[in-house]
Amino acid sequence: RKEVEQDPGPFNVPEGATVAFNCTYSNSASQSFFWYRQDCRKEPKLLMSVYSSGNEDGRFTAQLNRASQYISLLIRDSKLSDSATYLCVVDNQAGTALIFGKGTTLSVSS
Amino acid sequence: DAGVTQSPTHLIKTRGQQVTLRCSPISGHKSVSWYQQVLGQGPQFIFQYYEKEERGRGNFPDRFSARQFPNYSSELNVNALLLGDSALYLCASSLGGTGFTGYTFGSGTRLTVV
Repeated sequence: RKEVEQDPGPFNVPEGATVAFNCTYSNSASQSFFWYRQDCRKEPKLLMSVYSSGNEDGRFTAQLNRASQYISLLIRDSKLSDSATYLCVVDNQAGTALIFGKGTTLSVSS
Repeated sequence: DAGVTQSPTHLIKTRGQQVTLRCSPISGHKSVSWYQQVLGQGPQFIFQYYEKEERGRGNFPDRFSARQFPNYSSELNVNALLLGDSALYLCASSLGGTGFTGYTFGSGTRLTVV
C-alpha cells in the first residue's frame, strides 16, 4: 500500500463548481497533515494545514479523519486560478520529512 | 527577505557523471531538506540536515550524499548519474530539526541526464 494515496485525476470543472479531493494515508503515527498546491514546473507551496477539527480558509475547507486515516479538501466556487496540482501530504513517523501523494490535477475552465 | 535559493536552476549531465546542487535556506532557518520529484509524481524525501548533522534519510542509494555547512547552506551530490535521476530537485528549509514551522521550498534545480 502506498503511504499516501490520492484520487486519480485530472478533474476538469467549470468556473463556479465545487470540487472535492480525497486522500488516504497508511502511517497511523503521522501527526502533521497538509495540502500543498503545485503549479506547472514550479515548487510546491503550502495551501493549508489540516486539523482534526476541520479548518476553512476562504473557499477551501480541509477535513481530517484520524480513525479512517482520511484527508479531504473541498474547493467551492472554483476560479480559473485554482487550476493546479493538489498534493496531499503527511509527515513521517520521525517528524523529519514530508510524504507526498502523487497529486491530483485540477483544471478549471470558463 | 530572500526565500530559499537553489542553484543552478537547470542542468544537463551525461550518464556516469557527478553533479552538485546547492541550496541556501531562509535566514534564521537551521534545517535543510532535499526532495526529488520525478515527472508525474509527488516529491520524494532524500535527506534532512539540521545543525550540520544528518537527521533523516529517505530510500535512496548511496550515490546520493549531502552535507550542511556552518552557514546552514547545503549541497546535494549525486554520483554515477543514471537516466532515472532526471528530476526536479527541491530544497526546503525550516526553523528546526523536527516539525514543519516555516517549511518552505525553493524553486528547484531541474536536472536532465542524457
